[in-house]
Amino acid sequence: DGGITQSPKYLFRKEGQNVTLSCEQNLNHDAMYWYRQDPGQGLRLIYYSQIVNDFQKGDIAEGYSVSREKKESFPLTVTSAQKNPTAFYLCASTLGEGGYTFGSGTRLTVV
Amino acid sequence: EDQVTQSPEALRLQEGESSSLNCSYTVSGLRGLFWYRQDPGKGPEFLFTLYSAGEEKEKERLKATLTKKESFLHITAPKPEDSATYLCAVQEYNFNKFYFGSGTKLNVKP
Repeated sequence: DGGITQSPKYLFRKEGQNVTLSCEQNLNHDAMYWYRQDPGQGLRLIYYSQIVNDFQKGDIAEGYSVSREKKESFPLTVTSAQKNPTAFYLCASTLGEGGYTFGSGTRLTVV
Repeated sequence: EDQVTQSPEALRLQEGESSSLNCSYTVSGLRGLFWYRQDPGKGPEFLFTLYSAGEEKEKERLKATLTKKESFLHITAPKPEDSATYLCAVQEYNFNKFYFGSGTKLNVKP
């Protein structure tokens, strides 16, 4: 079945450490997105990519980085510059119309 | 600034007690409005897409409607398994971005 796979489901980060969240899709969707979800807040856009080797900053890109070397993959790195990274991270993809398909999310916690 | 506002933030219903959730939006050009259901610790699951005022979509106990400024998600005779957070999102004509509301957390008690 087609879908989006995020891994790991849970991730723990130490102070000053970079961590990478994986997002893989087999839907043949061109556009992929990373969102951050905090309790009581709507989803906030971190980065998005509409085509391989191209991506744009979203509303809260500071402290994050991405790459899009393959159509199927859009990994997100949370760098040490992100001072409050504890959150639920969601990856999504779309053909452009008809809304998003979401992954199951990664919960990142700073320890 | 474009905004999507959902109300109420939380809603408690008894099983069988029908109600509605609201999503109001202020994007300049609406390409589509989307409803999602999200269970705790999981990604949002797509429910409906609405494109034009007057449009309605139904799925089991859920019915979504759209006007020029807002959308309603009507829940008829809800069951405990309908308990979840319901998210609304709008897509503007520059369809690079979607704007999400903060959700309505629905709790249906048996």
